[in-house]
Amino acid sequence: AQSVTQPDARVTVSEGASLQLRCKYSYSGTPYLFWYVQYPRQGLQLLLKYYSGDPVVQGVNGFEAEFSKSNSSFHLRKASVHWSDSAVYFCAFNVGDNSKLIWGLGTSLVVNP
Amino acid sequence: GGIITQTPKFLIGQEGQKLTLKCQQNFNHDTMYWYRQDSGKGLRLIYYSITENDLQKGDLSEGYDASREKKSSFSLTVTSAQKNEMAVFLCASSIDRGEVFFGKGTRLTVV
Repeated sequence: AQSVTQPDARVTVSEGASLQLRCKYSYSGTPYLFWYVQYPRQGLQLLLKYYSGDPVVQGVNGFEAEFSKSNSSFHLRKASVHWSDSAVYFCAFNVGDNSKLIWGLGTSLVVNP
Repeated sequence: GGIITQTPKFLIGQEGQKLTLKCQQNFNHDTMYWYRQDSGKGLRLIYYSITENDLQKGDLSEGYDASREKKSSFSLTVTSAQKNEMAVFLCASSIDRGEVFFGKGTRLTVV
């Protein structure tokens, strides 16, 4: 079955530290991959997406993610986090036009000032 | 840019009550979605619609009805609210390739 695993329910880091949030998907082909962020009491916003090509994609606010077909992963990274990055981050994928997104359960990021 | 507007922002209902949530989008997107978000459970798809008057059941459709009478609007009805239910309902719309845009949500509390 198609699924997304975000193994860390909660990650706590200090401001200025580097960050990696992990995401693994279960699908035999190459999906369209997304990271979304949800700030407190807000809807979800797209952070970045991967469709094809360069496996490292850049997003907003200094975030990037790297697609690995061999590892079925799409990990999110940031070189130096800010307290305002505290939010819940969701990884998702779909397999083509008009197909449903498959969502991970999210990782809650807490950045200590 | 466009926007997705959900009304109401907060909804308090009584057990057994029928409750309706509304969603409007001005992106001119064909596909719209209703998700339910519970703490620690991620997003669960209730209904989606790929065009006006189309309805497709998601994983969590039992206990809900939906209606897509216009391209720009998509409403969700909780057919019988469950006591102590608390959840956030998120409306969304999408273009091709699954990039989804979300509203800010309706927070439901059932007393």
